[in-house]
Amino acid sequence: ETGVTQSPTHLIKTRGQQVTLRCSSQSGHNTVSWYQQALGQGPQFIFQYYREEENGRGNFPPRFSGLQFPNYSSELNVNALELDDSALYLCASSRGGNEKLFFGSGTQLSVL
Amino acid sequence: GESVGLHLPTLSVQEGDNSIINCAYSNSASDYFIWYKQESGKGPQFIIDIRSNMDKRQGQRVTVLLNKTVKHLSLQIAATQPGDSAVYFCAERPQTGANNLFFGTGTRLTVIP
Repeated sequence: ETGVTQSPTHLIKTRGQQVTLRCSSQSGHNTVSWYQQALGQGPQFIFQYYREEENGRGNFPPRFSGLQFPNYSSELNVNALELDDSALYLCASSRGGNEKLFFGSGTQLSVL
Repeated sequence: GESVGLHLPTLSVQEGDNSIINCAYSNSASDYFIWYKQESGKGPQFIIDIRSNMDKRQGQRVTVLLNKTVKHLSLQIAATQPGDSAVYFCAERPQTGANNLFFGTGTRLTVIP
């Protein structure tokens, strides 16, 4: 089991609402990446945070935003939720760069 | 866009047999590859990785083979156990220094006792 923890584990929201997901990285890891995993699909890269700044972004609209804190923990914020945002949101931490990502168990978001 | 695909969406093997999970990729600039195992209700679990300057890498009961000529990656699991039942993903880093991984759609491995 990795040291990456995510909260909450499950969340139900309605269309148009906003949501904040949280992630604590593994000890010694300074980089956090967020991925979205739709049912039956592989994870898709949302963005990465390093030294409290966004360090690359996938093909997701601006209503997906994030933060990284001095202790390397991170938040993913999604505004104006849409039905298609329903997915498992995964946080992964690494010791810099993009190798050996260690994932948390994810937050299952359902948008009704 | 990148394409990381798997030849077989499902694979069933007898307990004790060896398993081979295959993965094709399309980007010749990809320099790093990684295999994950995902059990139901859990996040992907790191299994093994390999850089593009290597052809083979071995771990505990697992071996990853990389054939850059045909852009093919495989994961071999020796003496497959019921606990190996899961969905397996391959992922590639599209270029050196890239901060993202592209994942395939996964192969479901079922181990028959």
